[in-house]
Amino acid sequence: QQPVQSPQAVILREGEDAVINCSSSKALYSVHWYRQKHGEAPVFLMILLKGGEQKGHDKISASFNEKKQQSSLYLTASQLSYSGTYFCGTESGDDKIIFGKGTRLHILP
Amino acid sequence: SAVISQKPSRDICQRGTSLTIQCQVDSQVTMMFWYRQQPGQSLTLIATANQGSEATYESGFVIDKFPISRPNLTFSTLTVSNMSPEDSSIYLCSARDNEQFFGPGTRLTVL
Repeated sequence: QQPVQSPQAVILREGEDAVINCSSSKALYSVHWYRQKHGEAPVFLMILLKGGEQKGHDKISASFNEKKQQSSLYLTASQLSYSGTYFCGTESGDDKIIFGKGTRLHILP
Repeated sequence: SAVISQKPSRDICQRGTSLTIQCQVDSQVTMMFWYRQQPGQSLTLIATANQGSEATYESGFVIDKFPISRPNLTFSTLTVSNMSPEDSSIYLCSARDNEQFFGPGTRLTVL
C-alpha cells in the first residue's frame, strides 16, 4: 500500500523551514527518505527503523512514530541545494520499499 | 555506499522489440530491485531480483513481459519484452544491504 505524503508541493525562501509528512495504513518496519533532482536518480537521505527514533545530519532530520505509522522530514534553514522532490519509502517487514507520490520542494533565493 | 551503474543509459526502440538493461553494483549486496518511474511520478516497484532463483514480481508485472536475471550478488538484468509505447519510462536498478541505493536509470522510449 502506497504511503501518503503531504504536502504535494512547497515553495520556500532560502533560510525558511519545511516539514514533509509521510503516513501509512500498514504497520511499518522502517521508513526511508530520498531526494531526487530533475533528471537524476533518487539520493538516499536516511533510514529510520522501528523504535520511534529520530535521526539527522546537517540541517535535515526525521522522526518516526511507529504507533501512528507516520514519519516526518524536517528541513531547517533551507538552502538552494535542498530543492527537489522528496520521497518517503516504507517497508513493512518484507524487504520491499514502496514509495509515496513525492513532495516537490522549491527554494527561492 | 554502493555504487550502481546501468547500461544503456537511454535507448529508443521500435514497437514489438525487446531491450535488456544491465545493472552492476560495485560490491556484493543482499537484495536488488527494479523500479519504473514515469517523468514527474513516483517510483513503482517492478520486482525483487533474487540471486539463484526466480524474481518476485509485484502486482501488475509478469515474468513474460519483464524477465529478470540475477546470476550473482553484484549483477542483474531486466528485459522489457515485446515493447509498446506504454513501456516508455525510466527504469531504475536498486541495491540494498542496510541502506538502499539507486542506479542512474535507463530512459526508454518506444516508438
